[in-house]
Amino acid sequence: GENVEQHPSTLSVQEGDSAVIKCTYSDSASNYFPWYKQELGKRPQLIIDIRSNVGEKKDQRIAVTLNKTAKHFSLHITETQPEDSAVYFCAASPDPSGGGADGLTFGKGTHLIIQP
Amino acid sequence: DTGVSQNPRHKITKRGQNVTFRCDPISEHNRLYWYRQTLGQGPEFLTYFQNEAQLEKSRLLSDRFSAERPKGSFSTLEIQRTEQGDSAMYLCASSLGLLDTQYFGPGTRLTVL
Repeated sequence: GENVEQHPSTLSVQEGDSAVIKCTYSDSASNYFPWYKQELGKRPQLIIDIRSNVGEKKDQRIAVTLNKTAKHFSLHITETQPEDSAVYFCAASPDPSGGGADGLTFGKGTHLIIQP
Repeated sequence: DTGVSQNPRHKITKRGQNVTFRCDPISEHNRLYWYRQTLGQGPEFLTYFQNEAQLEKSRLLSDRFSAERPKGSFSTLEIQRTEQGDSAMYLCASSLGLLDTQYFGPGTRLTVL
């Protein structure tokens, strides 16, 4: 089955700087890659996703890049703000509809700390 | 609140007891997922329904775990003969189907004493 590795486990950046979180996946059939943000004690919330027919997607300060050949994808957050502090999870699925019978396979998460 | 809801939010039980959790998906979402999340880990996929049909259950952690979605709306997850290792957050998610996001509920935190 799919295996998703996520790095780093903790990332501390100064407010206003950029943050980059990287994930690799093992199943070449995977073609849907969402990123979720989870604040302490709250539900995971989708912040951006990408499907394998595109290499990059951007939404304001957040962008995701995908390299299918190397089987890795990354989350980029620019101009970080205190409210960006949270745990971020990457995930992968071979189902282009976003889950299906394979569900989502998640990485272990990155604790992003924004230093004031 | 029109999001995914889960009840109860917290459950404390003694080892060996049975527990049942409920998930109410977003209205008209035909896909429903259950995940387990332990401390410091990402959610782990357990099972999947499309309408009332359970299309994937091989990832349930043991035969003590079962799930139902009898009318294709709400779903229940039951754990029989709970063990301390079952202590975790149990998350439910729903999606509309093709090319749609999975929206998560707030979870049920289970503590087995």
